[in-house]
Amino acid sequence: AQKVTQTQTSISVMEKTTVTMDCVYETQDSSYFLFWYKQTASGEIVFLIRQDSYKKENATVGHYSLNFQKPKSSIGLIITATQIEDSAVYFCAMREANSGTYQRFGTGTKLQVVP
Amino acid sequence: EAAVTQSPRNKVAVTGGKVTLSCNQTNNHNNMYWYRQDTGHGLRLIHYSYGAGSTEKGDIPDGYKASRPSQENFSLILELATPSQTSVYFCASGDNRQDTQYFGPGTRLLVL
Repeated sequence: AQKVTQTQTSISVMEKTTVTMDCVYETQDSSYFLFWYKQTASGEIVFLIRQDSYKKENATVGHYSLNFQKPKSSIGLIITATQIEDSAVYFCAMREANSGTYQRFGTGTKLQVVP
Repeated sequence: EAAVTQSPRNKVAVTGGKVTLSCNQTNNHNNMYWYRQDTGHGLRLIHYSYGAGSTEKGDIPDGYKASRPSQENFSLILELATPSQTSVYFCASGDNRQDTQYFGPGTRLLVL
């Protein structure tokens, strides 16, 4: 069964620095898709970035990028030049290609960016 | 303009009462999902749907029913609410092409 684990409960970083949030997953499927979502203080949840398991190149969107280490079943989210407004809870999620359209989420990492 | 809306946004219910949470999406997505969010558990899938008339059980369906009467609407029904169902509930929509999910603003439910 698929499982997604985020072991970092909370992280605090200085503004303008780089932060990495960890996520490991378990799956028996050879094809799967990995996602990161951001939940702001207001509760809004938005999609940030995704990585398809068959792609070797790490995905990048704006100042978000991924560190995909397939042999380690790991998908880290990297935020460069952090801003105060990056303070939020970040969720990692996975969808297996053979298990329908639903995604299974990790427990989230709370990021605080301080000035 | 919000594409996924939920109502009510806040709800107080009594134990044993019936609660219906509603979700509407204007994304024209086939797939819709209901999650609950609790501290330490993240987002857990309750029910989902592939289209009008279809409902599927997620990871924690016990105590919940779902209804998808149309492409746009997806309801979560608690026939006999219990205090353990106090939580924040999120609805989401998605399609097979984009594969990402679009979330509603959430409903905060308190069962006394």
